[in-house]
This record gives sequence, C-alpha cells and structure tokens, in this order.
Amino acid sequence: ELKVEQNPLFLSMQEGKNYTIYCNYSTTSDRLYWYRQDPGKSLESLFVLLSNGAVKQEGRLMASLDTKARLSTLHITAAVHDLSATYFCAVTMDSNYQLIWGAGTKLIIKP
Amino acid sequence: KAGVTQTPRYLIKTRGQQVTLSCSPISGHRSVSWYQQTPGQGLQFLFEYFSETQRNKGNFPGRFSGRQFSNSRSEMNVSTLELGDSALYLCASSMRPLNEKLFFGSGTQLSVL
Repeated sequence: ELKVEQNPLFLSMQEGKNYTIYCNYSTTSDRLYWYRQDPGKSLESLFVLLSNGAVKQEGRLMASLDTKARLSTLHITAAVHDLSATYFCAVTMDSNYQLIWGAGTKLIIKP
Repeated sequence: KAGVTQTPRYLIKTRGQQVTLSCSPISGHRSVSWYQQTPGQGLQFLFEYFSETQRNKGNFPGRFSGRQFSNSRSEMNVSTLELGDSALYLCASSMRPLNEKLFFGSGTQLSVL
C-alpha cells in the first residue's frame, strides 16, 4: 500500500527565512506533485516532478525529487507572508491513476 | 478559458438521502478525477474518468459512484448518505492524467445532518 508522509505538519516562520518541507513515500513511484491550498479555497498545482533528480523552481519555491530515496522536498527561500498556505504533496503508483496525498503542511509566515 | 466548474457550491442533506454533484472540466480536458477532503482523513481519491471510462476507483463503498458524459462533464452520486460523508468534494481535470498538473474546481461543500 502506497503511503505518503509529510513533515512537518505545521510550520510557523518569520519572513525572510528559508525552510524545507519534506515528503516521503513508501513504494516505487516516479511521479510526484505539489499543491497549495489557501484557507477555504481549492487546490492550486505548483509542480509536477516526473523523473529522478527533477528540480523545478518558481519564484521563492523550489521542488526536487529523489526517487531512490523516495523523497521530495519543497524549499522556500526568503519567505514572504503571501506564501502562507497549506502545502500538499501527492504521489501516483506506476500506471495507476490514483493520487495518494500527504496530510499537508500548514505554513504560517509572520511579518 | 473557463476553469473547472463544480455545482452546487454548498449542499445540505439529511441522512439516508442521496446527492448528485456535477463537474464541468476545462474545455478540451478529457480526464476528470474526484476527491474527498475532510479534516480527519485529509484528501482521498474517489475515482478517475477518461473518455467516459472509469479507470480507477479509490477505497470507498459502493454508495459512491460516478460517470462521465461524452462532453467530458462528470457527475458523482452518493446514495444513502451518512454523517461521515460530510466533506468538501473536489473535482479536477487535465488533458492527460498523470504527466501534467491537475486543475481543481472550487469544490462542493456537503453537509449531512
């Protein structure tokens, strides 16, 4: 059974600091997704990582994938208040159209 | 380009009733998937459709069903509602599943009393 674990589940940080959210998964997969959800809102796709070693960056967010370690990281550089949200990672098993989700990391960035 | 549209936005039902939720994907998107989000269980996959075919279903009882029409619009139905079915139901669409991002609708907030 594919399981996805995120940590930390809650993160409060100051603006301007750097931090990393971790996403571990239990079985082989080469597709990993990161999403953002604002309170009371729907999900917004951030990154789709499709191969080992994949790295994608947009603004202050950078995501990477290590399929051998079954680990993805979402790195936040010089955080700003607008990045406050809940961040989810999700994984599919090979050839399976079912997304398995992490529990989410609630990120609060204080001015 | 219009986004994914889910209707209704809010719904209140009582135990034992049934409910149908609707999802209109982005034009040209043929894959539609459904998810249930609750504070306790988080996000859980319900089912995925592509060209009117259900290709996978999550671990939900048979009371949860869905279908996709030839225009890619999708509906999900929950029969004999239980209190635990109270959740935000999200629909997502993409041109092709797996290898690209999903576009989510605003969701239907279902409350079962």
